[in-house]
Amino acid sequence: QPVLTQPPSVSGAPGQRVTISCTGSSSNMGAGYDVHWYQQLPGRAPKLLIYGDKNRPSGVPDRFSGSRSGTAASLAITGLQAEDDADYYCQSYDSSLSGLYVFGTGTKVTVL
Amino acid sequence: QVQVVQSGAEVKKPGSSVKVSCKASGGSFSGYTISWVRQAPGQGLEWMGRIIPIIARANYAEKFQGRVTITADKSTSTSYMELTRLTSEDTAVYYCVRGVVETAMSRYFDLWGRGTPVTVAS
Repeated sequence: QPVLTQPPSVSGAPGQRVTISCTGSSSNMGAGYDVHWYQQLPGRAPKLLIYGDKNRPSGVPDRFSGSRSGTAASLAITGLQAEDDADYYCQSYDSSLSGLYVFGTGTKVTVL
Repeated sequence: QVQVVQSGAEVKKPGSSVKVSCKASGGSFSGYTISWVRQAPGQGLEWMGRIIPIIARANYAEKFQGRVTITADKSTSTSYMELTRLTSEDTAVYYCVRGVVETAMSRYFDLWGRGTPVTVAS
């Protein structure tokens, strides 16, 4: 099953800026499919954070921003806060036969 | 406000089957797709399959083909996921997720259930 590649972990002090990369392939992001991001707090279900590469659902702080270029996407968190300590996953659609939706491998953000 | 309400935790024996349900509370799944995503302990998210309730058409990840069946009952806004021939590797939290098809190139999940823990042990 195809997957999107993310770094296992990133960390930063409160107030700092961190970025999480997400690398896809020609059957998903490279084919033009948008990337979306989810935040999973400890012990909770994931929650939609960014959709359509860069759009925030209502209620998501503007500290979170997304971008994509070709097969590479990134999520940036500026002004890092303690409550941002969580797992983050990217997701896209895939045109291969293995599966329609693909997730990133996940990144643990630690607020120092 | 629509919520996705899932059935409770399950404990199963290896070789058996499990059937998990989810219901749209306060609304319906009309106009959306329903996917099932699982997460093994300490692991990432894994898409299993989805159904388009309005036409009852399901698609499955290659890994689960032949072992998973996803159905939907439009009249009760309920979806079911059945997984057969369980092994210990199927121990995971199973999420029912509402899918949005914004455009042909933008498909994502906007509403997640709380998850149903399934433990497979002898």
